[in-house]
Amino acid sequence: SQTIHQWPATLVQPVGSPLSLECTVEGTSNPNLYWYRQAAGRGLQLLFYSVGIGQISSEVPQNLSASRPQDRQFILSSKKLLLSDSGFYLCAWSLGQGLNSPLHFGNGTRLTVT
Amino acid sequence: GDSVTQMEGPVTLSEEAFLTINCTYTATGYPSLFWYVQYPGEGLQLLLKATKADDKGSNKGFEATYRKETTSFHLEKGSVQVSDSAVYFCALSRSYGQNFVFGPGTRLSVLP
Repeated sequence: SQTIHQWPATLVQPVGSPLSLECTVEGTSNPNLYWYRQAAGRGLQLLFYSVGIGQISSEVPQNLSASRPQDRQFILSSKKLLLSDSGFYLCAWSLGQGLNSPLHFGNGTRLTVT
Repeated sequence: GDSVTQMEGPVTLSEEAFLTINCTYTATGYPSLFWYVQYPGEGLQLLLKATKADDKGSNKGFEATYRKETTSFHLEKGSVQVSDSAVYFCALSRSYGQNFVFGPGTRLSVLP
């Protein structure tokens, strides 16, 4: 069966510090991978998605970036965090073909920028 | 563009009450529809899905029917429990870009 791992679970970082969040998927090949952000009490905002190694699509301009160095690894990064980067970050995957594949989410990373 | 609209929350019910959370969508083509549930501090879990008109998705006592004529996918449960307290998201998947569109979420609180 497929599993998705996301870490760390919680993170407190000062403004201006770098960020690296990692997500890996097991049990499937060539998944579509996604990073979402959820502000407190609000809905989901798609940040990045990837349909293959090295292929990243950005949905919103910001100081975050994403990379996919391996088929089942997705990394969210920032060189300098802003206060507004605080939130709940969720990684997700779906099968690469067809409309019937749902999104499968990790347990999320709670990021607090102080 | 494609969009999903959900009823405003929070919704507060007593245990064993009937639940309906409305969801309507706007989309080109024939999207797949989903309901997700998010418990406090956790990621979203797929609750149920429907991939074509008149399909009924069901899981854990929850049901939703894909109504193309009214572009709706309302979530229902006959008797809610305290453990159903969570945020519920309606979503659709588009026919291009493998992207998903989520509604804003509806917070449900079930009181004993």
